[in-house]
Amino acid sequence: QVHLVQSGAEVKQPGASVKVSCKASGYTFTTFYIFWVRQATGQGLEWMGWVNTNSGDTVYTQSFQGRVTITRDTSISTAYMELSSLRSEDTAVYYCARGFWGSQGWYFDYWGQGTLVTVST
Amino acid sequence: DIQMTQSPSSLSTSVGDRVTITCRASQSISSYLNWYQQKPGKAPNLLIYAANNLQSGVPSRFSGSGSGTDFTLTISSLQPEDFATYYCQQSYNTPYTFGQGTKLEIK
Repeated sequence: QVHLVQSGAEVKQPGASVKVSCKASGYTFTTFYIFWVRQATGQGLEWMGWVNTNSGDTVYTQSFQGRVTITRDTSISTAYMELSSLRSEDTAVYYCARGFWGSQGWYFDYWGQGTLVTVST
Repeated sequence: DIQMTQSPSSLSTSVGDRVTITCRASQSISSYLNWYQQKPGKAPNLLIYAANNLQSGVPSRFSGSGSGTDFTLTISSLQPEDFATYYCQQSYNTPYTFGQGTKLEIK
């Protein structure tokens, strides 16, 4: 049974950083990429980037370039998303998702439960 | 970036109705199109991948079609558990953008 379990809710001040973890189980961690997606309250889904869990290579969307860092620790089957220079607009639920590469691109077949990050003074 | 536009944004429907949601890409994305269902307070759940492939465990009343720029998600007979928000997503080019969502509401 595949599971992605994320760390708990965070409250951060503007300008701070947050690091969210995503622990995978039920499959071989290094055979699937991990993607990160966020969702502001009442809003749609925004793709942030991915990590190749085998090589550690990453790709980030331009709008987060320079502020987001996605890493992984294969010894504990865990991926991390760190977002720096937080601002109020970063208040959102952050999801990790397992990426499956099919004949017609990526799709996200398993998701973590989400981590609420609140940026507030 | 590829823009994904869904219509309608919301739909009042009834149990048993046939529902069609459309998704249009700002450029051709071949069949690199996925559909997700999201219920309040929950993570999205994959329904359809590569435009018309039903994800394992998803009821057969869900189906997808289309290629190029125009895609549809069809629910053949709406069930009470289907009232949710639906998102399309392209995986043709990064960033892998999502549509704005279509919320199905009970009439």
